[in-house]
Amino acid sequence: AQSVTQPDIHITVSEGASLELRCNYSYGATPYLFWYVQSPGQGLQLLLKYFSGDTLVQGIKGFEAEFKRSQSSFNLRKPSVHWSDAAEYFCAVGFVSGSARQLTFGSGTQLTVLP
Amino acid sequence: DAGVIQSPRHEVTEMGQEVTLRCKPISGHDYLFWYRQTMMRGLELLIYFNNNVPIDDSGMPEDRFSAKMPNASFSTLKIQPSEPRDSAVYFCASTLFGPESLSNEQFFGPGTRLTVL
Repeated sequence: AQSVTQPDIHITVSEGASLELRCNYSYGATPYLFWYVQSPGQGLQLLLKYFSGDTLVQGIKGFEAEFKRSQSSFNLRKPSVHWSDAAEYFCAVGFVSGSARQLTFGSGTQLTVLP
Repeated sequence: DAGVIQSPRHEVTEMGQEVTLRCKPISGHDYLFWYRQTMMRGLELLIYFNNNVPIDDSGMPEDRFSAKMPNASFSTLKIQPSEPRDSAVYFCASTLFGPESLSNEQFFGPGTRLTVL
């Protein structure tokens, strides 16, 4: 079965600083990988996804992520964080089997941005 | 499109009462998912449907939970009887996956915050 680990429960950065959120997955085949963001009181919104091709993917709001098969990682990065980026971030891995379509989410990383 | 619509947004009930959560997916989507989010357990998949048919309900915690999708534009998640440990935020999400792809985004509703006293 697939699984996702987000080792950092909470990260604090200063506005304008760079950001990297870690994600490690476990899955036997080529994974579908996603990063979602959840603002307080809201549902989840897709930031970016990877399922084939270029291992560096660009997303919305200036985020990017790099798929590294050798490390089973899909870390999320942003060169300069804005106060509005404060939210919870979820990494997810998906699989397809017949009509089964399923995402497994990590436990999330809460991002605090200091002024 | 209005996005995924969930109702009610907040529900407070007493232990033992029946609770029904509702979801209207985005028109044209062929998959619908129900998730539960708690501090202790994070985001858990409860059940999902493909073209109104339940595909996997292995995440449903116990028989007190049931879900239906009578048509492509409506789904319910019912808890009967409710217990305090069911208190959580319940999300509905929908997507158009098609026959072989998982690459499309799941669109989440705003969630229903359930409190069972």
